[in-house]
Amino acid sequence: DTAVSQTPKYLVTQMGNDKSIKCEQNLGHDTMYWYKQDSKKFLKIMFSYNNKELIINETVPNRFSPKSPDKAHLNLHINSLELGDSAVYFCASSHGGTADIYGYTFGSGTRLTVV
Amino acid sequence: RKEVEQDPGPFNVPEGATVAFNCTYSNSASQSFFWYRQDCRKEPKLLMSVYSSGNEDGRFTAQLNRASQYISLLIRDSKLSDSATYLCVAAYNFNKFYFGSGTKLNVKP
Repeated sequence: DTAVSQTPKYLVTQMGNDKSIKCEQNLGHDTMYWYKQDSKKFLKIMFSYNNKELIINETVPNRFSPKSPDKAHLNLHINSLELGDSAVYFCASSHGGTADIYGYTFGSGTRLTVV
Repeated sequence: RKEVEQDPGPFNVPEGATVAFNCTYSNSASQSFFWYRQDCRKEPKLLMSVYSSGNEDGRFTAQLNRASQYISLLIRDSKLSDSATYLCVAAYNFNKFYFGSGTKLNVKP
């Protein structure tokens, strides 16, 4: 059973399109995240939800909108895709709490290519 | 300035060698620290948490130096399978995890 699963694994789309990436975790974690990993391999947090409530919203264009229908799901919708959005997007989840020693569990990533 | 900085490498070492990576973090309020391993085109996976007293897991030893704001990872008796990118993480402010850009390790036969 996959702990954090995200779909699709690959996404190739044209500039200007709108697309969604879905994420689900079956670990019973309270907190879920979206991270973006660019071509330089730098992982940067975008959003974090705790029990369906948005708790972290980094400086991300408002073309990106997360949605958490329940604490096991966190989806990412992207409007008007741009070339610079090409990256690998990772979903992750954690138990929660700043002293959490368990860290994150990541999904396998969605490789988005905007052409 | 980046929250977490690492030497990108690559570190090219022969099998059996001992190799050490350091990383520095800028926010003194950071509370939790981790090392993650990321294989090519895969997701990061937790290697180990880093405790104030230092901790060891088999061939891997992690240390934290709060005064100088750095953490380290020591790998003894390197295996070919240790080849990967090692990501340093500092966390604070309710699950706000900051990742370094990673240090690439190549273990050669």
